Formats: sequence, C-alpha cells, structure tokens
Amino acid sequence: KAGVTQTPRYLIKTRGQQVTLSCSPISGHRSVSWYQQTPGQGLQFLFEYFSETQRNKGNFPGRFSGRQFSNSRSEMNVSTLELGDSALYLCASSATGTPSYGYTFGSGTRLTVV
Amino acid sequence: AQKVTQAQTEISVVEKEDVTLDCVYETRDTTYYLFWYKQPPSGELVFLIRRNSFDEQNEISGRYSWNFQKSTSSFNFTITASQVVDSAVYFCALTLMNRDDKIIFGKGTRLHILP
Repeated sequence: KAGVTQTPRYLIKTRGQQVTLSCSPISGHRSVSWYQQTPGQGLQFLFEYFSETQRNKGNFPGRFSGRQFSNSRSEMNVSTLELGDSALYLCASSATGTPSYGYTFGSGTRLTVV
Repeated sequence: AQKVTQAQTEISVVEKEDVTLDCVYETRDTTYYLFWYKQPPSGELVFLIRRNSFDEQNEISGRYSWNFQKSTSSFNFTITASQVVDSAVYFCALTLMNRDDKIIFGKGTRLHILP
C-alpha cells in the first residue's frame, strides 16, 4: 500500500510570506500528526487531527495552523514566516492516532525561509 | 511531563563493530510506549521497534537488539556487526499509552559507520 506522501519535498520562502504544506496519509488512516524538526530543538509536536478535528496541539504560536479534509488529507499553514521556521516538517499517519496502532511517517517537507 | 534523553550526540565506529545507543526516559505515568526510529538522509522516520511499559523482555531482530530496564528508565539499542547502511540518526521516543498524546522524541544520536 502507498505510504505517507508529503508535498512539496522542498520549499524556499521569504520572511513574511505564508506557506501551506500537504500530507496524504495511508489509505484508511484517519489521524495525521505534524512535527517540526530543527537542529536546535529536535522533533517537536505541532498538532494532531482525527476525522477533521484537531485533538491535540503543541506549544507553537498561532501562526502555525492546520486542517484535515474529509478524505483525511491534511494541510498545515504557517503565516508570516520567520527565519526560525526553517525546518523539516514531518507528518505521521495513524489508523486511530493512538500509539498502540503505531505511526508511519512521511519523508517530510524541508522549508527554508530566507 | 515526559522527557527522553539521548546523551550521545554523535558516534563513529568502524564497520563490523558493535555499537550501543543509549536512551533514558522520564515519566510519572506507569503505562507508556517506547519507540526507536531511524532517520536516514532521505529524512523519513523509519519505525524500528515499539515496546510497552508492561513488557521488559529484551528483543532481538537480526543484528538489532533492545534492552528495556524500568529500574533505570532506560531503553538502549544495540547494533551488532554494524554495516555502513546503518549510518543514520536514531531517535528514541516515548508516548503515553492511554491518551491520544503526542510522541516525545529524544534529540537523536547520529551514527557514522566507517568502512
């Protein structure tokens, strides 16, 4: 079966712009989580969506937002980009979002803010 | 709050040597899962193992083995007879069992296997 697909793979944006990243989970999976990976902070949880509802949110400013569609695909949006938003953004797909069912990660979107 | 510590930032070993990656975790909950993930240069996090807090049995999978000790809150990962393809960043992680909760990752250990 197809894995988790994240698009685009690479992105370069200018400070102040906004960006939208996309994640298509494994077919049948209803939960999508987003993580930010930076050299300084490591992997940090952004938010999790299940059946179009945000169930959990990490400690990030309101510039970071997301949504999930009825087909379980998810998008995350970052507005007013800052240099510190440069990171690898990973999404994780899960059947239920509970750890007993495991998580499958995509290859990520590498965002560079200049 | 939960925390995962991987004290080894970077390790280099010569091919065919054994190497152990350390992981120490902190949680007040008694039910939780521990994970190890591998991140090759492509960026994808590849799942290696999940262990629940009730099961302290060590596990071996090919050249990989894991030692889970609740008494020391450690979940160490050993690669036997390392190969160049094992070069990657390895993450230890923790999540609580009975909640729809986030995964808490350690900072990772970058492993270099030298030919």
